[in-house]
Amino acid sequence: KQEVTQIPAALSVPEGENLVLNCSFTDSAIYNLQWFRQDPGKGLTSLLLIQSSQREQTSGRLNASLDKSSGRSTLYIAASQPGDSATYLCAVKGTALIFGKGTTLSVSS
Amino acid sequence: SQTIHQWPATLVQPVGSPLSLECTVEGTSNPNLYWYRQAAGRGLQLLFYSVGIGQISSEVPQNLSASRPQDRQFILSSKKLLLSDSGFYLCAWSRSGLADNEQFFGPGTRLTVL
Repeated sequence: KQEVTQIPAALSVPEGENLVLNCSFTDSAIYNLQWFRQDPGKGLTSLLLIQSSQREQTSGRLNASLDKSSGRSTLYIAASQPGDSATYLCAVKGTALIFGKGTTLSVSS
Repeated sequence: SQTIHQWPATLVQPVGSPLSLECTVEGTSNPNLYWYRQAAGRGLQLLFYSVGIGQISSEVPQNLSASRPQDRQFILSSKKLLLSDSGFYLCAWSRSGLADNEQFFGPGTRLTVL
């Protein structure tokens, strides 16, 4: 049974700092991995999708990597801003999309 | 472009009452549709998915059911709500055909059962 773990559960940083969010999964037989952002009381916004054959994807200040063999992904956020404050969710797609519990990020100005 | 709608946005219902949540997708045809629940302190859990009209797969046994009466409409229902049905319900869609297609989520419905 696939399990997805995200560390840390919460993170507070000052504005401008570069940071890394971690995601690990137990079953490497996945089609892809998605990173989402969720603002309080809102739905999920897809940030990056990495197919199983890819190593990384970039969008603006965001870079996500995937190491399928070790069951790990990282989301790198460069030059963090207060508007980046949200919960970041990692999800892996096998027969279904399995989510981690998320990392709640707070960026202070 | 594609958009996904959910309503209502917020709902407060007494225990034992019925439930009907609706999700519609615009701008695409024959999407795969999904219902998820996000309970406090827990991750998102897939409840149902559908690959076509009238085709529903249930991921977990529970007090809920789903229906897809039209290509781009997905409904989540219950005949009698339980306290444990409280949570944030999210509908999602993906393009059909490939297992690795990206999923896109709606704005969600916050359900409180009292």
